[in-house]
Amino acid sequence: QQQVKQSPQSLIVQKGGISIINCAYENTAFDYFPWYQQFPGKGPALLIAIRPDVSEKKEGRFTISFNKSAKQFSLHIMDSQPGDSATYFCAASRGRTGGFKTIFGAGTRLFVKA
Amino acid sequence: DTGVSQNPRHKITKRGQNVTFRCDPISEHNRLYWYRQTLGQGPEFLTYFQNEAQLEKSRLLSDRFSAERPKGSFSTLEIQRTEQGDSAMYLCASSLGGRYEPNQPQHFGDGTRLSIL
Repeated sequence: QQQVKQSPQSLIVQKGGISIINCAYENTAFDYFPWYQQFPGKGPALLIAIRPDVSEKKEGRFTISFNKSAKQFSLHIMDSQPGDSATYFCAASRGRTGGFKTIFGAGTRLFVKA
Repeated sequence: DTGVSQNPRHKITKRGQNVTFRCDPISEHNRLYWYRQTLGQGPEFLTYFQNEAQLEKSRLLSDRFSAERPKGSFSTLEIQRTEQGDSAMYLCASSLGGRYEPNQPQHFGDGTRLSIL
C-alpha cells in the first residue's frame, strides 16, 4: 500500500516532442504528489506538485494530470529539450498523520534526442 | 547559496567504522528529512524532524543509525559499525511548515555519497 509504481523505466523522445511519465499509487491517504528531476551527482529538484483536489496543474512546459478515482497521475513535458535529459521521480506523501513520509517511484530516465 | 548544504560530499570508510554526516537546511525551514538513495532507485525515506523533535522513523533506520537535530537547525546522521549494504547516497531535505500544517515542497541537498570498503 505504500508503493508508488512508475513507468516507463526509460524514455527516448525527439527534441520538440512530448514526454509522458505515469505513476500509480494504492494508499488513498496520500495527499501530496510532487515530481522531481535529478541530474547525475545532484540531489532531486522539485519540478511541480499537485494536491488531490485538483485534476491538472501546469507550470511552463510541465503539466501534472491527476485522476483520483483511478489513483493515477502523470507528468507531461511539452516541447522536450535535450536539457530535459535527466531522471524523473514521481512521489506521494501523507500529511501530519503519516509523518510527511514521502514515497518515491523508481524513476524514469529520459533522453531527449537533438 | 542559501540551499540545503550537506557535508561531506563523499565518504569512504572501512567496514565496521562509524561515520557521521551533517545537513544544514534552508535557514527558515523547520522540517528536515533524511533519505537514502541507491543506484538506479528513488530516494527512500529514513526519518523526519519537526524542529528538534524526531517525529517519524522508517523501519529502514536500524539501531545502527541515529539522527539528531539538537537545536532545530542543522542535523547529523550517524551510522555505527558500517556494513557493505550501507553504501548509498544519503540525502537531506528541508521544508517550511508547522507541525499541523499540510505538506510543503521539500528542497534537497546534493547528498553525501558513502562507500564502504
